[in-house]
Amino acid sequence: QSVLTQPPSASGTPGQRVTISCSGSRSNIGSNYVYWYQQLPGAAPKLLIYRNNQRPSGVPDRFSGSKSGTSASLAVSGLRSGDEASYSCAAWDDSLNAWVFGGGTKLTVL
Amino acid sequence: QLQLQESGPGLVKPSETLSLTCTVSGGSISNYFTWVRQPPGKGLEWIGYVYYSGTTNYNPSLKSRVTISVDTSKTQFSLKLTSVTAADTAVYYCVRDLGSSSYGMDVWGQGTTVTVSS
Repeated sequence: QSVLTQPPSASGTPGQRVTISCSGSRSNIGSNYVYWYQQLPGAAPKLLIYRNNQRPSGVPDRFSGSKSGTSASLAVSGLRSGDEASYSCAAWDDSLNAWVFGGGTKLTVL
Repeated sequence: QLQLQESGPGLVKPSETLSLTCTVSGGSISNYFTWVRQPPGKGLEWIGYVYYSGTTNYNPSLKSRVTISVDTSKTQFSLKLTSVTAADTAVYYCVRDLGSSSYGMDVWGQGTTVTVSS
């Protein structure tokens, strides 16, 4: 059971906007930055969003992150077939003194 | 560009010790480095980190079985997990960790699959 809660699946059609939620608690999302990772099939995770809403160089601005209280979300606009992947959120947990992850959301482009 | 490469046995017997090494190339080892694992079909799990000075911090759920160490002369860091069971079967990743107030876990190795089975 993951500390952060994500829906197991999400879907959309090409060009659509999809959001993926990540719910935590005061000791993790409520107190620290949220990070998002994209994991293409058979590949290692790749940093997609850092510090709630910042994109590393090379990540398209179609990907955006936000945080409010103890929840965060990742939005993908202009959906493409190449966006089919698993997306995981992460945050530091002050109570556990550990990084915690969500269980991952598999995004399907219909 | 920093690159990380995991290496070690792909098959470990139950009750034995899992040992993996991560080789750092193309960048500095003067950072925090972390091990993360992913059981088949499941989410990511943080195992722990080591700083180049040798300071460590482990996931409380694994703390009694985990040791992470660093060898700066070889630009490598290692993971040892004792008394393994089938539940330890996973893909193991080594990751550069720039910290939760900075860029987080930003560079990942390709991962290595470890199966626990007799």
